[in-house]
Amino acid sequence: AQSVTQLGSHVSVSEGALVLLRCNYSSSVPPYLFWYVQYPNQGLQLLLKYTSAATLVKGINGFEAEFKKSETSFHLTKPSAHMSDAAEYFCAVSAPNTGNQFYFGTGTSLTVIP
Amino acid sequence: NAGVTQTPKFQVLKTGQSMTLQCAQDMNHEYMSWYRQDPGMGLRLIHYSVGAGITDQGEVPNGYNVSRSTTEDFPLRLLSAAPSQTSVYFCASREDSRPYEQYFGPGTRLTVT
Repeated sequence: AQSVTQLGSHVSVSEGALVLLRCNYSSSVPPYLFWYVQYPNQGLQLLLKYTSAATLVKGINGFEAEFKKSETSFHLTKPSAHMSDAAEYFCAVSAPNTGNQFYFGTGTSLTVIP
Repeated sequence: NAGVTQTPKFQVLKTGQSMTLQCAQDMNHEYMSWYRQDPGMGLRLIHYSVGAGITDQGEVPNGYNVSRSTTEDFPLRLLSAAPSQTSVYFCASREDSRPYEQYFGPGTRLTVT
């Protein structure tokens, strides 16, 4: 089965600083990988996804993530944090050998300091 | 398209009560699923369905029942609510041929007292 580990349940960055949210996955077959964002009291919004095409994936709101097979990682980055980026971020993995079920990480809460 | 809709948005139950969380999608998706979200736990799969008449258990199925009589609807039933079922519940759907395109509903916040 697949699994996801998100290092750091809380991350704080200053406005304008680099955002780096870490995600490591476990999968015995090539996976699909996802990052979702959740604003307070709202649902999940897809930021970006990796589906075995380009390893550097660009998403909405200036976020991007790089699939690194050798490191089993899919870290999320944004060059310059905005106040509006404050939210909960979830990494998820799915793969054909488990019926493409989604397995989510435990989430990282991002705080942006003015 | 309305996408994935869920009702109600909020619900308070007393221990032992039963209720049904509704989920509907208008995209003709074969696959539908229910997750619960708890602080520090991420989203965990409760039950899923790969088509009308077919359901299966996910990671945390105990205390929940599902059925899928139509492609559009996938209700989640709590037969006897417990405080441990206090959570936010999300329904999701996708096409079998596009497993990486999963659409989530807005969620139902359930409190069991």
